[in-house]
Amino acid sequence: AQSVTQLDSQVPVFEEAPVELRCNYSSSVSVYLFWYVQYPNQGLQLLLKYLSGSTLVESINGFEAEFNKSQTSFHLRKPSVHISDTAEYFCAVKRPGANNLFFGTGTRLTVIP
Amino acid sequence: EAGVVQSPRYKIIEKKQPVAFWCNPISGHNTLYWYRQNLGQGPELLIRYENEEAVDDSQLPKDRFSAERLKGVDSTLKIQPAELGDSAVYLCASSPLWGTGELFFGEGSRLTVL
Repeated sequence: AQSVTQLDSQVPVFEEAPVELRCNYSSSVSVYLFWYVQYPNQGLQLLLKYLSGSTLVESINGFEAEFNKSQTSFHLRKPSVHISDTAEYFCAVKRPGANNLFFGTGTRLTVIP
Repeated sequence: EAGVVQSPRYKIIEKKQPVAFWCNPISGHNTLYWYRQNLGQGPELLIRYENEEAVDDSQLPKDRFSAERLKGVDSTLKIQPAELGDSAVYLCASSPLWGTGELFFGEGSRLTVL
């Protein structure tokens, strides 16, 4: 079975500072990895995903994540955060060919003006 | 293209009362999911449908929870009777049968049981 660990439940960061949200996964087989974002009172939206190929994937709003197989990690980074990035971020994993997506417990990013 | 639609957005009931949530997935998406998200936690799968068939309901508490997806489109999740511990956000998601794994979520239904 797959599982995801997000060690940081809350991450406060000043506006325009860099941020890293950590995600580690556990799986005995190859996996697909996802980051979802949940803004207040909204549903989850896909931020970015890794399926295969380049280990560095990017989103349209400046986030990036790097798949590291040896460290079983998929950390999310942004070099300069904005107030609008304040949200809950969830890392998720699924096995190729399977339909179930397993989520971590989430990291609440708060950007401080 | 319309996204996943859920209703109601908010529901407050007293314990032992019944409650139902409705979900309309994205047109053409064969797979429909119901997740429960407790406060401060990630979503946890309750049940997954492929068309009309519930293919994974292992995490659905069947003594009080039931779900249906008639005609393979809309779905309803029911709780009867509700307990205090059922307070959570109930999320519906859909995906195409042969996709890359991305799930498309609705805004959720927040249930408060008093």
